[in-house]
Amino acid sequence: EEQLVESGGQVVQPGRSLRLSCRGSGFRFDRTTMSWVRQAPGKGLEWVAKMKEDGSNEYYGDSVRGRFTISRDNARNSLFLQMNGLRVEDTAVYYCARGGAKRCELWGQGTLVTVSS
Amino acid sequence: DIQITQSPSFLSASIGDTVTITCRASQDIRNRLNWYQQRPGKAPKLLIYDASILEIGVPSRFSGIGYGTHFTFTISRLQPDDFGTYYCQQYDNLPRVFTFGPGAKVDMK
Repeated sequence: EEQLVESGGQVVQPGRSLRLSCRGSGFRFDRTTMSWVRQAPGKGLEWVAKMKEDGSNEYYGDSVRGRFTISRDNARNSLFLQMNGLRVEDTAVYYCARGGAKRCELWGQGTLVTVSS
Repeated sequence: DIQITQSPSFLSASIGDTVTITCRASQDIRNRLNWYQQRPGKAPKLLIYDASILEIGVPSRFSGIGYGTHFTFTISRLQPDDFGTYYCQQYDNLPRVFTFGPGAKVDMK
């Protein structure tokens, strides 16, 4: 079964850092672009970042560029999101998704990040 | 940047109804538009890609059509599992970004 499982979400104070992880299984992780998409409480979907299958290129949404860094370890079928300088407005459920070049075909269940003092 | 709007943002419908949602892009995006379903408390699910192609395993009561700046998503014979929020999403080649529409919530009448 194809699956994505996120982890790492927690409550953090503004200005602090947090690293999210996503583990893929049941498909060739090293052959697909991977993305992070977030959803603030009661709000819509916002694309955060994506990285090509070989890690050669990464792209970011305007609201996180310069603060967040996406990375991957294909040997461990894992995707990461390093979040620095967290703000209250970064509070959201963060989804890991397979795809991102054109569409996201598979999504994880999400992990909640709460930024609060 | 390309802007995406959806209408209506909310609609009430009954089982068996036909529901139509529109998505408009601020500039020509050809067929670079996808549709997702999000049930309450769940992750999004891809239903239609490239404006009109049904994802594998998605029931044929879901359909999409459109090109350029105007796109339509239709649910025929609405089922209980279909209540939730529907998002359109466009992708750019340059810059390589994704943009989601604001969503359209389908609620039970």
